Amino acid sequence: DQQVKQNSPSLSVQEGRISILNCDYTNSMFDYFLWYKKYPAEGPTFLISISSIKDKNEDGRFTVFLNKSAKHLSLHIVPSQPGDSAVYFCAASAQGGSEKLVFGKGTKLTVNP
Amino acid sequence: DGGITQSPKYLFRKEGQNVTLSCEQNLNHDAMYWYRQDPGQGLRLIYYSQIVNDFQKGDIAEGYSVSREKKESFPLTVTSAQKNPTAFYLCASSRDRSYEQYFGPGTRLTVT
Repeated sequence: DQQVKQNSPSLSVQEGRISILNCDYTNSMFDYFLWYKKYPAEGPTFLISISSIKDKNEDGRFTVFLNKSAKHLSLHIVPSQPGDSAVYFCAASAQGGSEKLVFGKGTKLTVNP
Repeated sequence: DGGITQSPKYLFRKEGQNVTLSCEQNLNHDAMYWYRQDPGQGLRLIYYSQIVNDFQKGDIAEGYSVSREKKESFPLTVTSAQKNPTAFYLCASSRDRSYEQYFGPGTRLTVT
């Protein structure tokens, strides 16, 4: 049973436009959410997180939105750059992050120059 | 420079052999984790440790073993009992379980 779902395996956008990566979850106990970026043959790097007490968190070009009623979160990248091309993983945890992280399968983003 | 190191980056073994993957961190983090990634899959938790000399099984611990004798080191042994050992293995650490995890560069293990 997949508790964290990233339904789009891939996404392609033009440089300078907005990239929107989506993530859905089923476990209502999740209250802490993270996005990681991963290049091939490298470890994931932490991008941004959000607690369930917020509905938005922003860090530079990256913004994460959380819709608790829909059990949905999204990562917006504006403007997209070719260096953003990578696989993006959504992850969730319960009890303020003290429970184990559950990862989605990832979305491969390609930003075309 | 603080970080997590995993060695080697590529590892080849014959079926039936045990192999140990190294993970070292100098971030002074208490918690350490081992994940496995297969093509088209998310990261799956193998083992984790919150403190020295203590560790817990994750979702897919069968065929693996770990030790945590030092705060900075968390080696993973892939035993011959692991049915599908060929994968990309990632080690991570965090200040404690409430904080974001930082990952090492990974080890690609190929067993033939």
